[in-house]
Amino acid sequence: AQSVTQLDSQVPVFEEAPVELRCNYSSSVSVYLFWYVQYPNQGLQLLLKYLSGSTLVESINGFEAEFNKSQTSFHLRKPSVHISDTAEYFCAVSEWNTDKLIFGTGTRLQVFP
Amino acid sequence: DAGVIQSPRHEVTEMGQEVTLRCKPISGHDYLFWYRQTMMRGLELLIYFNNNVPIDDSGMPEDRFSAKMPNASFSTLKIQPSEPRDSAVYFCASSPAGGQGQGYTFGSGTRLTVV
Repeated sequence: AQSVTQLDSQVPVFEEAPVELRCNYSSSVSVYLFWYVQYPNQGLQLLLKYLSGSTLVESINGFEAEFNKSQTSFHLRKPSVHISDTAEYFCAVSEWNTDKLIFGTGTRLQVFP
Repeated sequence: DAGVIQSPRHEVTEMGQEVTLRCKPISGHDYLFWYRQTMMRGLELLIYFNNNVPIDDSGMPEDRFSAKMPNASFSTLKIQPSEPRDSAVYFCASSPAGGQGQGYTFGSGTRLTVV
């Protein structure tokens, strides 16, 4: 069965600094990978996804994630964060032959001025 | 489209009472998922439906929990009787083709507090 590990429960960072949120997964078959963002008192919103093809995927607001099959990782990065990026970020995995998304425990990104 | 709509946004109830949470998925989406979010356990998949049929309810914690989807535009999650440990945020999500490549659209959640 698939599983997702987000190694950092909280990541504090200053505005305009780079950030990396780590995600590792476990699966015996091909997977699809996702990052979701949750702002306070809201539902989860899809940030970006990897299905196939280029291992580097980007979001419209400057985030990117790279699929690394050998390391079973899908880390999320942003070269320069804004205060508005403060939120909870969830990594999720779906095996190609299932309908379910399994989520990691989340990483709280706190951006300070 | 108005997105996935959940009601109520907040629910406070006393232990032992019945609680019903409601969800309206996005029109045309075949899949509907119920998740529970707590600080201790994170996001847990409780149950999901495909074309109104429950496919996997292995995440439903106890017999006190039940879910129905009588038609393509409505689903309920019921807890009877409720207990304080059921306090959590319950999310509904829908998808046009399950998790395979589509991702989900989430509702804003129902924050349940059982006192």
